[in-house]
Amino acid sequence: GENVEQHPSTLSVQEGDSAVIKCTYSDSASNYFPWYKQELGKGPQLIIDIRSNVGEKKDQRIAVTLNKTAKHFSLHITETQPEDSAVYFCAASILTGGGNKLTFGTGTQLKVEL
Amino acid sequence: DGGITQSPKYLFRKEGQNVTLSCEQNLNHDAMYWYRQDPGQGLRLIYYSQIVNDFQKGDIAEGYSVSREKKESFPLTVTSAQKNPTAFYLCASSPAGHLNTEAFFGQGTRLTVV
Repeated sequence: GENVEQHPSTLSVQEGDSAVIKCTYSDSASNYFPWYKQELGKGPQLIIDIRSNVGEKKDQRIAVTLNKTAKHFSLHITETQPEDSAVYFCAASILTGGGNKLTFGTGTQLKVEL
Repeated sequence: DGGITQSPKYLFRKEGQNVTLSCEQNLNHDAMYWYRQDPGQGLRLIYYSQIVNDFQKGDIAEGYSVSREKKESFPLTVTSAQKNPTAFYLCASSPAGHLNTEAFFGQGTRLTVV
C-alpha cells in the first residue's frame, strides 16, 4: 500500500519568514495530494490540494509543488503569521471515482514566533 | 449549516466495554471514513464506506466494527478486542467521482479507557 513520509516533524520560524514542509510518497499510482491544517483539539481542514497533472498550485500565501518523477511534494507558506501555527499533514490518494481514501504523513508542528 | 458532526467530544470507557462513536453528515456525500490519531503520528484509516450497506477494512481495523445503514450515518464501535483504544478518532466524508474530491473532517472524539 501507499506510504507517505513527512519532514520535518517540528518547524519553528520567525513571523514573516517562509516555511517549507516536504513529503514523499511510494505509490506511483497516487494522483491526488492534499494538505491539511489541524488546530489543537479540532479536526483537520483542507488548505490546498494538487493533482498529478499539475506541477504547482498557489493560493495567496500558500503554494504546493509536486515532482512526480521523484515522488515528492512540498508545502510552502510565505509571510508566516502567528495564526499559521498548527499541525500540518500531507496526504496522498488514488482517486478512483468511489471516494477519497487518504494516506497521511505523520505531521509537522509549525510554530510561528513573534 | 452543512457539515459533519461527531459525538460525543469526550468519551470515557472502562476496560472490557464496547463503545460506539457517532458520525453524521448532511453533505450528501457517498463516502465516509474513520481515522485514528495518536500523538506524534498521522491519521490511520480504520474503516471506510463508499456506499450505503457496504464498507471495507482500512489499515488498522482489528478491534473495531462499523455499519452504514443510512447515507448520512457511519457509527464506529470500539470493541473490547481493541488492545489500545485510547486515541483521538476522526470521521470524514467525501463525494464520489473525480471532480469534487475534498474530504471533510468532523471535530473528533477523544476516547479514554479508564
